[in-house]
Amino acid sequence: DGGITQSPKYLFRKEGQNVTLSCEQNLNHDAMYWYRQDPGQGLRLIYYSQIVNDFQKGDIAEGYSVSREKKESFPLTVTSAQKNPTAFYLCASKPRSGTGGGEKLFFGSGTQLSVL
Amino acid sequence: GQQVMQIPQYQHVQEGEDFTTYCNSSTTLSNIQWYKQRPGGHPVFLIQLVKSGEVKKQKRLTFQFGEAKKNSSLHITATQTTDVGTYFCAVTSMTTDSWGKLQFGAGTQVVVTP
Repeated sequence: DGGITQSPKYLFRKEGQNVTLSCEQNLNHDAMYWYRQDPGQGLRLIYYSQIVNDFQKGDIAEGYSVSREKKESFPLTVTSAQKNPTAFYLCASKPRSGTGGGEKLFFGSGTQLSVL
Repeated sequence: GQQVMQIPQYQHVQEGEDFTTYCNSSTTLSNIQWYKQRPGGHPVFLIQLVKSGEVKKQKRLTFQFGEAKKNSSLHITATQTTDVGTYFCAVTSMTTDSWGKLQFGAGTQVVVTP
């Protein structure tokens, strides 16, 4: 099946620890995104990447880091600098404009991160 | 910066009733998308509006883009229990890269009473 796979579904972080959330897609999409979702606040953009080996900060990038070494993969690291990491994290992707896929985002099933 | 407001934040609907949720932007939009997120799930794309005054329908859902391209509405007729979830608008401003940052509203959480 084609799609976006996020893992793990649930993740617990100890204070001072870095954790990495996985996002893999087999849709051959160029652009990938990380959003954070808190109750009542919608989705806020953390980082996005339009092409391999390139990425840009979103609105709330502080305390997070990403890499885009492969087209299929866009892992997100939540560092110890992120003091309030408890949230639902969503990865998304979309094809380049003009390929017939439109501009819509395809989302993974999300990772719930909690602090111990 | 760009502000995207969705109202209401919460909507309690009796099954069979109609309701409307609104999305308002402080800037002119290139396009607007609507997504639905079921409880415990992830957002799923519903539709995209691009043209000023555009109206699109999907069964009981009617989407409209304002003439000034600063607001949009989603109207659901004869609400069913399957309509439960949170509806988000997501916008791309005229001033930003068309496939860069997509900004989401806070969403309208819909609860349906049988």
